[in-house]
Amino acid sequence: GQQLNQSPQSMFIQEGEDVSMNCTSSSIFNTWLWYKQDPGEGPVLLIALYKAGELTSNGRLTAQFGITRKDSFLNISASIPSDVGIYFCASLEGSGGGADGLTFGKGTHLIIQP
Amino acid sequence: DTGVSQDPRHKITKRGQNVTFRCDPISEHNRLYWYRQTLGQGPEFLTYFQNEAQLEKSRLLSDRFSAERPKGSFSTLEIQRTEQGDSAMYLCASSSTGGFQPQHFGDGTRLSIL
Repeated sequence: GQQLNQSPQSMFIQEGEDVSMNCTSSSIFNTWLWYKQDPGEGPVLLIALYKAGELTSNGRLTAQFGITRKDSFLNISASIPSDVGIYFCASLEGSGGGADGLTFGKGTHLIIQP
Repeated sequence: DTGVSQDPRHKITKRGQNVTFRCDPISEHNRLYWYRQTLGQGPEFLTYFQNEAQLEKSRLLSDRFSAERPKGSFSTLEIQRTEQGDSAMYLCASSSTGGFQPQHFGDGTRLSIL
């Protein structure tokens, strides 16, 4: 199946810094999703992107769907301690009319030093 | 909206035993998904239901695994003759119908095989 490559694998930053992470694939996707997962909990949807070139914000988070449809990035501005967690990109695995299982990247682990 | 509920949250069992997990999706969500997540990885798709019909199964779903959604509401995932490699977090997600709808995840059942 398709693979999503996330980078960086982990980030150690200072509180207040901006964060940027990305996700790439060799395949074309029609949808990109960004989730955040805290320890012992399920992933929580942050942003969904549906069109190439689309730029969407959710508070301090901004994500873009790459023009080539093979990549996406997520930015977090002015990081705060509660931003700590693992960020996953995800997209659809097949072409089942939107009802397919998601393919996830391996995640970017964000660690914030106060 | 009470979110996706999974039970139990943790399960410890001996190798060779059978285990069953339950998922209650968000009410009125017709689509229900099961995923497996191992340490350091993103969730991996296992299977998908639309109402009571199981429409897709991943190659990860061996013949020891069976999932049901008898009345189109809650779902169960059973693993027979558990093996060490079955230790993982089992996540359930649900979504509404109509093209692509974002999947919302429960907090998972963590399975540990002794």
